[in-house]
Amino acid sequence: KNEVEQSPQNLTAQEGEFITINCSYSVGISALHWLQQHPGGGIVSLFMLSSGKKKHGRLIATINIQEKHSSLHITASHPRDSAVYICAGNEFGGFYFGTGTSLTVIP
Amino acid sequence: EPEVTQTPSHQVTQMGQEVILRCVPISNHLYFYWYRQILGQKVEFLVSFYNNEISEKSEIFDDQFSVERPDGSNFTLKIRSTKLEDSAMYFCASSDSGNYGYTFGSGTRLTVV
Repeated sequence: KNEVEQSPQNLTAQEGEFITINCSYSVGISALHWLQQHPGGGIVSLFMLSSGKKKHGRLIATINIQEKHSSLHITASHPRDSAVYICAGNEFGGFYFGTGTSLTVIP
Repeated sequence: EPEVTQTPSHQVTQMGQEVILRCVPISNHLYFYWYRQILGQKVEFLVSFYNNEISEKSEIFDDQFSVERPDGSNFTLKIRSTKLEDSAMYFCASSDSGNYGYTFGSGTRLTVV
């Protein structure tokens, strides 16, 4: 069974700070997903990665397949970035979700 | 922007009753998924569906659960004989290739009383 660990569990940042959320997984995966869950519960898919790096606006996601590790970076954080960020590994047999990182960005 | 639509947004049902949660995936997507999130816990994968059959399912997805694509647009999750512990937010998602971006619905909050 794949274990997906995220750190930190909770993160508070000042507006404008650079933020990093980390994710590690125990077994090889075919893809890793970063999701954003808003306070109302809705989930938005941010990235799906199988190698390298992806960028979308102020968000950057990287993955190191050899180290079984991925990071999500947020540049110039803003209060509207406040949400729970979830990483999930996709492998044959299912999806394995981390417990999420709760981010609060203070103005 | 295309959306995945889930109905109802909230359903309350009595223990032992059957419920059907409905999802309308994005029209050109081929892969469909159900997930659930019990309050305060992490998201859990239930099942994926492709080409009119289940492609993967988790240990949670036992005989109590079934999925169906009754027509060209809907994708349903049926829970038979609901239990209190089935209370959760159920999310549907769809994908065009299974390996690229997913789109999630806004969820159905199921409360079993």
